[in-house]
Amino acid sequence: AQTIHQWPVAEIKAVGSPLSLGCTIKGKSSPNLYWYWQATGGTLQQLFYSITVGQVESVVQLNLSASRPKDDQFILSTEKLLLSHSGFYLCAWSLDWTNTGQLYFGEGSKLTVL
Amino acid sequence: GDSVTQKEGLVTLTEGLPVMLNCTYQTIYSNAFLFWYVHYLNESPRLLLKSSTDNKRTEHQGFHATLHKSSSSFHLQKSSAQLSDSALYYCALSGSSNTNKVVFGTGTRLQVLP
Repeated sequence: AQTIHQWPVAEIKAVGSPLSLGCTIKGKSSPNLYWYWQATGGTLQQLFYSITVGQVESVVQLNLSASRPKDDQFILSTEKLLLSHSGFYLCAWSLDWTNTGQLYFGEGSKLTVL
Repeated sequence: GDSVTQKEGLVTLTEGLPVMLNCTYQTIYSNAFLFWYVHYLNESPRLLLKSSTDNKRTEHQGFHATLHKSSSSFHLQKSSAQLSDSALYYCALSGSSNTNKVVFGTGTRLQVLP
């Protein structure tokens, strides 16, 4: 069975500090991977997606970047956090392009920027 | 671009009454996929229903929805609400089967009272 794990579960960071959130998928080779962000009380907003190692597409510009260094790993990062980055970050995977939209989400990482 | 509208932010009803959560969408793609995701507290969002077939009823776990392309709607229904149905429900759209952009609505919180 496929599992998806996100880390860290929660972070409290200062404005201007760097950030790195991670996501690992086990039990599925070459998944499509996604990062979503949810501001408090807001909807799930897609940030990035990746269909293969080394390739990442940006959907929304929020002064964040993403990388896929391995087939099973997706990293979200920034060098300088803004207050507006606070929220809940969800990593997700899907089988392939034929099943796009059927997403399997991780547990999420809660980010508080002070 | 693609968009999803869920007009109700909160729906409160008594156990045993029928449930209807509204979802309308906009897309230029004729073969769009529509989804309902459910997000229970302290869990990850998970897929509840999906459809891309016009006028075909889709059912799962007591919930059902019918995609109506003529009215761009995909309302979620259940004949009798249970306390355990209390959760956040997202309608989502994937405009084409070969796109990795999945757009979510703002979500409707369903609160079922005894």
